Amino acid sequence: QVQLQESGPGLVKPSETLSLTCAVSYYSISNGYYWGWIRQSPGKGLEWIGSMYHSGSTYYNLSLKSRVTISVDTSKKQFSLNLSSVTAADTAVYYCARQMNYYDSGSYYPRDAFDIWGQGTMVTVSS
Amino acid sequence: DIQLTQSPSFLSASVGDRVTITCRASQGISSYLAWYQQKPGKAPKLLIYAASTLQSGVPSRFSGSRSGTEFTLTISSLQPEDFATYYCQQLNSYLVTFGQGTRLEIK
Repeated sequence: QVQLQESGPGLVKPSETLSLTCAVSYYSISNGYYWGWIRQSPGKGLEWIGSMYHSGSTYYNLSLKSRVTISVDTSKKQFSLNLSSVTAADTAVYYCARQMNYYDSGSYYPRDAFDIWGQGTMVTVSS
Repeated sequence: DIQLTQSPSFLSASVGDRVTITCRASQGISSYLAWYQQKPGKAPKLLIYAASTLQSGVPSRFSGSRSGTEFTLTISSLQPEDFATYYCQQLNSYLVTFGQGTRLEIK
């Protein structure tokens, strides 16, 4: 059974960079799926941050694009999120998730759903 | 960006009721739409993808449909464990957006 586990600091200072890692167990990151980050501010809805493919291709929420980097380390079976210049508005529960895919003409493409999620990790931005 | 508008934002219903939640897309998105259920303190759970395909293990009382840019999640007979918040989510040109959520509470 595929498992995802987020890890990283629970408290980040304003203007600094938020860094989280998602460890993937019982599945290979390189096996055709896309992998994503989603966040949820306290009492609010879900916000997609971005997704990536093991080849390095990345796709970001346009409203966060200038501050986000998602990267992968296949040898460590993990992928990471960096969000720079954080403010209190970035306080949220951060989830990593596996994005479903489909295969067409020799390539994998992301589809519309995230089927496996981590439990989430709360990150507070405060001095 | 494609916007998703869910309605209603809040819904009060009783066990055994049939309920419908609607998600309207600001432009055409084919059938790349999913529905999730989220309970307090938990990660979202995938219910339906491709507008109407039931995720493995999800009870058959959940169903999804599409008519143009309007998508519907139906729960045929509410069970106590169904009271939660529901989100729709779409994918278009590799970019993802979520609806604002519908909170389903016990009447």
